[in-house]
Amino acid sequence: NAGVTQTPKFQVLKTGQSMTLQCAQDMNHEYMSWYRQDPGMGLRLIHYSVGAGITDQGEVPNGYNVSRSTTEDFPLRLLSAAPSQTSVYFCASSSGSSYNEQFFGPGTRLTVL
Amino acid sequence: GDSVTQMEGPVTLSEEAFLTINCTYTATGYPSLFWYVQYPGEGLQLLLKATKADDKGSNKGFEATYRKETTSFHLEKGSVQVSDSAVYFCALSEGRDDKIIFGKGTRLHILP
Repeated sequence: NAGVTQTPKFQVLKTGQSMTLQCAQDMNHEYMSWYRQDPGMGLRLIHYSVGAGITDQGEVPNGYNVSRSTTEDFPLRLLSAAPSQTSVYFCASSSGSSYNEQFFGPGTRLTVL
Repeated sequence: GDSVTQMEGPVTLSEEAFLTINCTYTATGYPSLFWYVQYPGEGLQLLLKATKADDKGSNKGFEATYRKETTSFHLEKGSVQVSDSAVYFCALSEGRDDKIIFGKGTRLHILP
């Protein structure tokens, strides 16, 4: 099992550009989520999904879109990148609910100039 | 709303020292509590968890006890190693809306 995979590992964007961060898991987990990690702020939840076709907003959803068309994939879209979105992004998945162990991907380091 | 507060770092200790990282929480119900660890350049991984009051989670020599009366879940280890250097996150989940809430993390440096 590959677990949770994220691509790309690093990305540099210019302000206003759009892009999609990819996340995939091969553990048949229902629950998937996206976090951003900033110095001194810990992890903040952006969006999450409890199953295919179901998504909901987290703490900091503005500027990001998600969709969940399959159990395996949960892409995060930046519509118009801003310098404030410079961060490290982590995708996570778990079986069932957030009571269970979250499995994290290795992260994507994004810089917006 | 629910929240997690953990001691600010960085925490610097010598090898074989005793470690405590404090964590307190605010929740409306009866959450599950977690400690996650992040090694340099990696994602987070679960270190230990406890699901009800007075439960003790343990793993790799680390322990934490769910104290409902003090709303705390402090992480302890009797003798730290250089390989324990990492960032440690306390977290909670009430499960009803499927969100997990993380503290801001505590960076731990262990000196040889």
